[in-house]
Amino acid sequence: EDKVVQSPLSLVVHEGDTVTLNCSYEVTNFRSLLWYKQEKKAPTFLFMLTSSGIEKKSGRLSSILDKKELSSILNITATQTGDSAIYLCAVEAGVNDMRFGAGTRLTVKP
Amino acid sequence: NAGVTQTPKFQVLKTGQSMTLQCAQDMNHNSMYWYRQDPGMGLRLIYYSASEGTTDKGEVPNGYNVSRLNKREFSLRLESAAPSQTSVYFCASRPVTTTYEQYFGPGTRLTVT
Repeated sequence: EDKVVQSPLSLVVHEGDTVTLNCSYEVTNFRSLLWYKQEKKAPTFLFMLTSSGIEKKSGRLSSILDKKELSSILNITATQTGDSAIYLCAVEAGVNDMRFGAGTRLTVKP
Repeated sequence: NAGVTQTPKFQVLKTGQSMTLQCAQDMNHNSMYWYRQDPGMGLRLIYYSASEGTTDKGEVPNGYNVSRLNKREFSLRLESAAPSQTSVYFCASRPVTTTYEQYFGPGTRLTVT
């Protein structure tokens, strides 16, 4: 059965810390891996990864995919209180078959 | 350009009642999706429509039906609501089915008592 597992489920840090969120997957037909940020309502898109070893970067956020290890990490450097959210990992396991992990709830304290 | 809109925002139903959740997108996207989000379980795909005129089951379709009314609109119907369908429902759309991210609506919080 296709599955996506995120760790940790919850994380509390202080402003300025660096965090690494993990996503591992087992799917029969990998097409892409996506990261989303969910604050109060709708998830908003962060990154889409299809190729192993190529880092995607946006400001203080970066992500990389390791297809050999069937995993991805999302790094956030110099965290701010505005980074507090649930971070969702999703894997497209076939056309239109999007599997989401349970998410990592990040809390950044001042 | 409103993106993806959903109505209603909140709804309370009694067991056995029926209702339709509405979703519309103004981005001329081909594909549309319905998800439910339960605590600790992430989002799970209920149904999707790869293009106008087609619909397919996702991971958790039981108890739901969908209609792709036209390219803009994709509705989700609960024929006989059950407490297990208490959840937050998200609609999403995507330009094409290959390598593009999904855009999500604001969600509908549904409670079935």
